Amino acid sequence: DAKTTQPPSMDCAEGRAANLPCNHSTISGNEYVYWYRQIHSQGPQYIIHGLKNNETNEMASLIITEDRKSSTLILPHATLRDTAVYYCIVRPQTGANNLFFGTGTRLTVIP
Amino acid sequence: DAGITQSPRHKVTETGTPVTLRCHQTENHRYMYWYRQDPGHGLRLIHYSYGVKDTDKGEVSDGYSVSRSKTEDFLLTLESATSSQTSVYFCAISETGVGANVLTFGAGSRLTVL
Repeated sequence: DAKTTQPPSMDCAEGRAANLPCNHSTISGNEYVYWYRQIHSQGPQYIIHGLKNNETNEMASLIITEDRKSSTLILPHATLRDTAVYYCIVRPQTGANNLFFGTGTRLTVIP
Repeated sequence: DAGITQSPRHKVTETGTPVTLRCHQTENHRYMYWYRQDPGHGLRLIHYSYGVKDTDKGEVSDGYSVSRSKTEDFLLTLESATSSQTSVYFCAISETGVGANVLTFGAGSRLTVL
């Protein structure tokens, strides 16, 4: 599976957009980019995923560069409840039946 | 989390004793997974199941066994618990193992082995 690189921690002011970067320079053409988050003491929660195109849902937007070597998760209006560890993961469309979680980015939303 | 329940949520046991953690789902999903989470390691896959009686190993399967006798239940057993198995264990489910495979996680089971 392709490896991902994320900054260990980030801060964001409440109400501002949080932009979380992820580098996946060895990603293959058939691998999806997934984002999950884990709020303290809870199980991880799915946020969004994409293959080539940018994606948006009620939680966030995912921007994938044209060469697919990096992506950015955008939380448009961060709230205190968005404080969590955010995981960027890549995995192939077929074959592997699991997600390899790294150590993620700890996002702290500041009042 | 809705549709997926782990039990027990907390357990303290002694080295050498057997321990079984249960994951129960009401979503009728085909795939079920057991992960462990330790500081500095993120989540690591222990075992997963792709159907009743169909299971496979993950990256940290030594010392663990699993069973799935019906769709809704996936059991994780530590035959003889060791202190290195002190961890938080998460169960997850997914509808499919191919394509856009979204996992839904349970709330976790915290196990302490003394």
